[in-house]
Order: sequence, then structure tokens, then C-alpha cells
Amino acid sequence: IQLTQSPSSLSASVGDRVTITCRASERVTKNLNWYQQKPGEAPKLLIYGIFSLQGGVPSRFSGGGYGTDFTLTISSLQPEDSAIYYCQQSEKAPSFGGGTKVEIE
Amino acid sequence: EVQLVESGGGLIQPGGSLRLSCAALRFAVSDNYMNWVRQAPGKGPEWVSVIYSGGSTFYADSVKGRFTISRDISRNTLYLQMNNLEVDDTAVYYCARRLVAAAEAMDVWGKGTTVIVSS
Repeated sequence: IQLTQSPSSLSASVGDRVTITCRASERVTKNLNWYQQKPGEAPKLLIYGIFSLQGGVPSRFSGGGYGTDFTLTISSLQPEDSAIYYCQQSEKAPSFGGGTKVEIE
Repeated sequence: EVQLVESGGGLIQPGGSLRLSCAALRFAVSDNYMNWVRQAPGKGPEWVSVIYSGGSTFYADSVKGRFTISRDISRNTLYLQMNNLEVDDTAVYYCARRLVAAAEAMDVWGKGTTVIVSS
């Protein structure tokens, strides 16, 4: 399953609401996950199963979507949210999206 | 706190072999779906291989026939044997636990070990 993320990069201000989109080439019923990666670090799980927030992750992160279209939303962007975000599916052989780089203005 | 610690990376010539190790701390490798994921410079992550709790193994097409995943239950360690290495195998290699109970998301990652394939 191929995952296409948009946009590939964005720049926003502290406090802004930010939404990243992930489109799958086939229907994904539940195994759609989101990760945050900062330079020099491993990816960190944020959202699993489309909607569920991983323990310890701030509640300003949320996931949604259905079928082939999914979203990651940051309700109020913070300086520490500057990172690359990846969607990932485990419905079939795992695959990752191309990433969205989020920068703070 | 659960942890994964990779080792074994390095500089290797094309056609060479390398074995990566991943030690698990405070959870059992044998009870989980254990994965190798790699990330080439400036690229997104790419899943490489998995060994299920039952012992079945699967590979990405890009490494099938060249890489072998295994585990040592007594050492609680995951391995990746990489043979016939190619320049395109250059990447940071991470081991990661995949949780069946959480949409098969990868919830624990190591810090990674770097493999550079170059002549």
C-alpha cells in the first residue's frame, strides 16, 4: 500500500492549527499510524489505529480519517513540534508516507 | 522503561556482509513482532523485515534473498544478517517493536546503527 502525504512541508506560527493529510492507494480499515521524527532521532509514535493517542503524547495531537484519507492535526502548534511527520500503515506489509516537514515561523 | 539497543553497523564494501544486533531490555523479543526499519540519508523510513512471535519471517522485496532476520531467545536479542550488500543499502537501521494490540504500530524503537556501503 502506497501512502502519499501532503503537503511535503509547511511553515506555521505558534498557536496555529495544522493539518497533515495522508492518502492510501488502497483502503485501510484500522492500522494507520503517525510518527514524529526530529533530527538525529528515531521516529516516535504519536497516533495509532487512526485515532488513538499514544501514552505521553500531548492532547493537541489528534488523528482522523476513513478509508483511504487520513489526517494528523496539531490543534495549537508549539515550538517543540518542529519535526518531520510520517504516516504508516500495517494493513499489509508496512509502509511509510514520504513525510511532512513542519517548521515554526 | 523498555528499550532497544542496536549495534553492528559500519563501513562495508559492496558485496560484503554484516550482522546487526538489537538487544531488548525489559520485555521479551519472543513475545512480540520484532522489525527492522531503515532510513537512507534524507529519506523516509523503509520497513525491511519482521519476525513474528510464532517465528514466521517476512521481508521487503528490496532485501529478499539477501537479508535474514533471526532472534536468540536466551539472549533476548534480534539479528539482521545482511549479505551481498549494495550501495542502496546505506542507511540507519532501526529495530522496532510492533504492537498487535495497537494497530500494529511500532511503539518502541532503538537509536539506530549506521550502515555505509561504499568502495
